Amino acid sequence: AQSVSQHNHHVILSEAASLELGCNYSYGGTVNLFWYVQYPGQHLQLLLKYFSGDPLVKGIKGFEAEFIKSKFSFNLRKPSVQWSDTAEYFCAVTLTGFKTIFGAGTRLFVKA
Amino acid sequence: DTAVSQTPKYLVTQMGNDKSIKCEQNLGHDTMYWYKQDSKKFLKIMFSYNNKELIINETVPNRFSPKSPDKAHLNLHINSLELGDSAVYFCASSQGGQGDAAEQFFGPGTRLTVL
Repeated sequence: AQSVSQHNHHVILSEAASLELGCNYSYGGTVNLFWYVQYPGQHLQLLLKYFSGDPLVKGIKGFEAEFIKSKFSFNLRKPSVQWSDTAEYFCAVTLTGFKTIFGAGTRLFVKA
Repeated sequence: DTAVSQTPKYLVTQMGNDKSIKCEQNLGHDTMYWYKQDSKKFLKIMFSYNNKELIINETVPNRFSPKSPDKAHLNLHINSLELGDSAVYFCASSQGGQGDAAEQFFGPGTRLTVL
């Protein structure tokens, strides 16, 4: 069955620390890859996406992600986090036929 | 202007009742979705409509019935509510489901509490 795994459920960092959140998916076909963010009390919004081309994609607020097809991975990175990055981060994979599968989410807490 | 809106934002009701949640998008998208987010924040797709046609119907109790009167609206009706239905329900929309068009825009969510 198709699935999306996020390796870390909770991450606590100090401001200015570097961030990497892991995401792996299991599906052999063509996929579109996304990272969504949910700030406290808010709805999900798109952080970045990959559908073709350069496997290193840049998103909003200094986030980037790299698609490694051979590893079925799409890890999210940010070189220096801020307190305002405290949020829940969801990796998502859209398969053919509109179906989107979300990972379980990673709760990031950044200490000021 | 709100892109994807849901009403109500909060819904508190008794077990056994029937309730509806409404969703509207003004983005001109042709695909709409309902997701359920449980207490552990796990987000799971329930239904998806493309041009008013049901295209995704995950393993959801048949007490849940979506209705899409037009491309801009997707409502969710729930019969005989149970305690386990308590969750946040998110509506989303996209223009198609492939490539760049697969980006979904989410509504603010409806927090349903069943007592």
